[in-house]
Amino acid sequence: NAGVTQTPKFQVLKTGQSMTLQCAQDMNHEYMSWYRQDPGMGLRLIHYSVGAGITDQGEVPNGYNVSRSTTEDFPLRLLLAAPSQTSVYFCASSAGASGRSIGEQYFGPGTRLTVT
Amino acid sequence: GNSVTQMEGPVTLSEEAFLTINCTYTATGYPSLFWYVQYPGEGLQLLLKATKADDKGSNKGFEATYRKETTSFHLEKGSVQVSDSAVYFCALSANTNAGKSTFGDGTTLTVKP
Repeated sequence: NAGVTQTPKFQVLKTGQSMTLQCAQDMNHEYMSWYRQDPGMGLRLIHYSVGAGITDQGEVPNGYNVSRSTTEDFPLRLLLAAPSQTSVYFCASSAGASGRSIGEQYFGPGTRLTVT
Repeated sequence: GNSVTQMEGPVTLSEEAFLTINCTYTATGYPSLFWYVQYPGEGLQLLLKATKADDKGSNKGFEATYRKETTSFHLEKGSVQVSDSAVYFCALSANTNAGKSTFGDGTTLTVKP
């Protein structure tokens, strides 16, 4: 199993540009989440999904869109990039409530995004 | 809402020293508790977990006990190594919504030879 994969690893955008961060998992996990990590602020939840076709907002959703058309994929879209979105973005997945590893998150390697 | 508070860092220790990183939480019900570790340039990976009160999670010499009476899940290791240098995150997950986790701010540990 590849686990959780993310692309790209690094990205530089200009203010106002848009892009999509890709995330895929091959563990058949129901739950997927996007977090951003900023110095001294831990991880903050952007959006999450409890299954294909179902998404919900997290703590810091403004400026980001998500969709989940398949169990495996959960892309994060930045519509109009702003310098405040400079951060490291992590995608994570976890099994459903019936799994032995309930609540345990599996993280991708991250995407380091700089908006100038 | 749920919250996790970790002791502020950074923490610097000499090799073979004893490590404690404090973690307390606020949550309704009976959450599952986790410690994750992040090495430089990598994503987070699970270090250990406990799913009910008085459970002890352990891995790679690290231990933490789920204390419901004090709402705590402190991380300990008896003898740290240089290779333990990393950022450690305490987290909880409500069993009623296993897809969402709440993380502490992280504690940076540096171990010197």
